[in-house]
Amino acid sequence: RKEVEQDPGPFNVPEGATVAFNCTYSNSASQSFFWYRQDCRKEPKLLMSVYSSGNEDGRFTAQLNRASQYISLLIRDSKLSDSATYLCVVPRGRTDKLIFGTGTRLQVFP
Amino acid sequence: DADVTQTPRNRITKTGKRIMLECSQTKGHDRMYWYRQDPGLGLRLIYYSFDVKDINKGEISDGYSVSRQAQAKFSLSLESAIPNQTALYFCATSGTGETQYFGPGTRLLVL
Repeated sequence: RKEVEQDPGPFNVPEGATVAFNCTYSNSASQSFFWYRQDCRKEPKLLMSVYSSGNEDGRFTAQLNRASQYISLLIRDSKLSDSATYLCVVPRGRTDKLIFGTGTRLQVFP
Repeated sequence: DADVTQTPRNRITKTGKRIMLECSQTKGHDRMYWYRQDPGLGLRLIYYSFDVKDINKGEISDGYSVSRQAQAKFSLSLESAIPNQTALYFCATSGTGETQYFGPGTRLLVL
């Protein structure tokens, strides 16, 4: 099993749609998790942190399932500006070294 | 001004040349990192430093070296560039236990 695995997509959705991405991880010792957003050929930027069962920030909800070792990102009411690649990020055990997934690409169309 | 800056932003070089990529930060963070990003492979850690006297290899350090000149500066060197080092390189910083903040990246092409 890969340390962090994501569906690469692309997910093509219309404006206003709800879309969800899943990410699985292999290290059960990981305590915190992150979703980063990366626009084409630009730097990753933190979108959300997940430390317990989940986190919600406006239209974005991240959920954590420790038993099944996956985290999800739900985007409601998609906007054109949400088009980007979403990176699932998991610390390697109890360290500050991060393992990045290869990303899930989202394209929102009018 | 950006909190994490990288120079150059773009670089084309030839096989065998030595090049240096520089990273500076104004966030006051102790921890700094160098990553490379390749299509389909995600971000991979090259080297990281938890303070000025600390240097650690990441998962793909072969062919690279680093120097932590000050808390705010962390440079990456390719002693003898080869074509498979063509990639997008990112510097990142973090405080203790916090998430990482990335610079804008350096696009490197080795011919």
